[in-house]
Amino acid sequence: ETGVTQSPTHLIKTRGQQVTLRCSSQSGHNTVSWYQQALGQGPQFIFQYYREEENGRGNFPPRFSGLQFPNYSSELNVNALELDDSALYLCASSFPGQGNTIYFGEGSWLTVV
Amino acid sequence: SQQGEEDPQALSIQEGENATMNCSYKTSINNLQWYRQNSGRGLVHLILIRSNEREKHSGRLRVTLDTSKKSSSLLITASRAADTASYFCATDLKIYGNNRLAFGKGNQVVVIP
Repeated sequence: ETGVTQSPTHLIKTRGQQVTLRCSSQSGHNTVSWYQQALGQGPQFIFQYYREEENGRGNFPPRFSGLQFPNYSSELNVNALELDDSALYLCASSFPGQGNTIYFGEGSWLTVV
Repeated sequence: SQQGEEDPQALSIQEGENATMNCSYKTSINNLQWYRQNSGRGLVHLILIRSNEREKHSGRLRVTLDTSKKSSSLLITASRAADTASYFCATDLKIYGNNRLAFGKGNQVVVIP
């Protein structure tokens, strides 16, 4: 148990739709990151939130957006879904600063048809 | 682009044997973390090694880090069937600040009972 919980675990969407994925970070962790993992690949960094502000972004288009709430939980929103968005979306939480273990949730499997 | 690159990509061993995986990276790191992922599940943190450390142990795991060669290795001793999983190295890159991980493609390890 990492203390990071994600919902939903699986979902199927149609191309062009929008999706919201949710994450509750481990208690006290105010840094939350989102990663996309395509089948057979390693996770790719999407963005990170620290104290409700975006704090770094990977090579993903603006239709990938996020939020962090005062309780440090977070959402990942993806608009105008494309088939290539089908992947496992992982949320990770940590304390800020160097040398801290980063804990991942079980992920949300998104299939776009 | 992928920062960590693991070698070999797939490994099949008998229960009780040791499994060794290597990972290389290209730029300076704050730390390097190894994760395990069972099929379709989230990432489980195994071990973190800081850039000023050379070797670390945790149970049956031994991790080494050679910053001059920009490489790391993960050794699992006396493997068990339950060790069957994908193993990823992830680097926390200095150029991105803190807690933003770059993953390799992963090593798929199969332990045959």
